[in-house]
Amino acid sequence: EPEVTQTPSHQVTQMGQEVILRCVPISNHLYFYWYRQILGQKVEFLVSFYNNEISEKSEIFDDQFSVERPDGSNFTLKIRSTKLEDSAMYFCASSEALQEIAKNIQYFGAGTRLSVL
Amino acid sequence: RKEVEQDPGPFNVPEGATVAFNCTYSNSASQSFFWYRQDCRKEPKLLMSVYSSGNEDGRFTAQLNRASQYISLLIRDSKLSDSATYLCVVNMNYGGSQGNLIFGKGTKLSVKP
Repeated sequence: EPEVTQTPSHQVTQMGQEVILRCVPISNHLYFYWYRQILGQKVEFLVSFYNNEISEKSEIFDDQFSVERPDGSNFTLKIRSTKLEDSAMYFCASSEALQEIAKNIQYFGAGTRLSVL
Repeated sequence: RKEVEQDPGPFNVPEGATVAFNCTYSNSASQSFFWYRQDCRKEPKLLMSVYSSGNEDGRFTAQLNRASQYISLLIRDSKLSDSATYLCVVNMNYGGSQGNLIFGKGTKLSVKP
């Protein structure tokens, strides 16, 4: 069964450092998303991406964040200067379509646990 | 006002019990509805989509009441492996929204032998 893959599974970084989280969405999917989940809290939307550009972003997704699809398979989330409060689980998701029932289901990767020290 | 609200639980039930989870959502323009399950420190995994007519998948039944903005999930004959957090999820998918998912905080279920 196709799946979304994310690397690394755990990233430890010092405050102020840049990190890049990587995702390989399901191959025939066109819509890509990043979510985050702070420990003990709910999953929160960060950004959606379609046709090589950001479709929508939340207020969490400030200037420190950026996304990119550098090639035909990878989808990355970059945090330029990490803060302690960026420590969370970051999930990548993808879907085949946006509105069509059954094709709009978002499938999640196993996540990257980011620890900012 | 919270967008998606769920009873946080925990629900502690014996094996074989029937358990029901409820969820309300605030935005009447919401288009798509889902139940995901999340095991501890794992990713959300789709359990089932929720359709207007209600739908069933084995031991799981989901219902949607658009007038009351209410979604439910019923689990019959619960198994130990059903122990997880159940996430009520709404997809806005209208106007300027590009389909981002809005999650509830989840309801924790613990099934005991």
